[in-house]
Amino acid sequence: QQPVQSPQAVILREGEDAVINCSSSKALYSVHWYRQKHGEAPVFLMILLKGGEQKGHEKISASFNEKKQQSSLYLTASQLSYSGTYFCGTEKAQGGSEKLVFGKGTKLTVNP
Amino acid sequence: DTEVTQTPKHLVMGMTNKKSLKCEQHMGHRAMYWYKQKAKKPPELMFVYSYEKLSINESVPSRFSPECPNSSLLNLHLHALQPEDSALYLCASSPRLAQSSYNEQFFGPGTRLTVL
Repeated sequence: QQPVQSPQAVILREGEDAVINCSSSKALYSVHWYRQKHGEAPVFLMILLKGGEQKGHEKISASFNEKKQQSSLYLTASQLSYSGTYFCGTEKAQGGSEKLVFGKGTKLTVNP
Repeated sequence: DTEVTQTPKHLVMGMTNKKSLKCEQHMGHRAMYWYKQKAKKPPELMFVYSYEKLSINESVPSRFSPECPNSSLLNLHLHALQPEDSALYLCASSPRLAQSSYNEQFFGPGTRLTVL
């Protein structure tokens, strides 16, 4: 089941903050966040696990609310380099399933 | 070496051709993936190899045939494709280690495939 991302698009000025949300109707084991720039491959940003563990880039912060099956990615003091499409990917079970299902993406544009 | 490489970068083929896409990683990852991505859409999973065995096939048509000759290499053999198969084909790898709960995926740059 595909997770739902919001908003679909956001436009910021450099230095502004943004929050991107990802929600699922199914119980999740993990949520992944990736950024894809035009014409490039998706790049791993963050992984959040059921139970509270997380791993990712130092300048990226995110949260995972297990009760709501919802994750949020926080982009603070945005830079021009943050522009791109952000995908969340959700994983329902550990071990037996390596299947990551991606949301439709959130297009972020940071202007000078 | 912390990257996933893919060849070729671009491929144009006719509907009767046979071609192969190649993916390589030297990070010691034990899971490798093929995704298909259409413009302005998210990556769509096609196949997963875990410890060199096919573990997931997302009901992909048989004109796509994956192969994992060893833990570093993943191929996707293409035969009798249709124009609607034109897309960016992404390879990814992840640790899939028994002692690690994390399974972040690292993507290659992709092969841009055009079927005429």
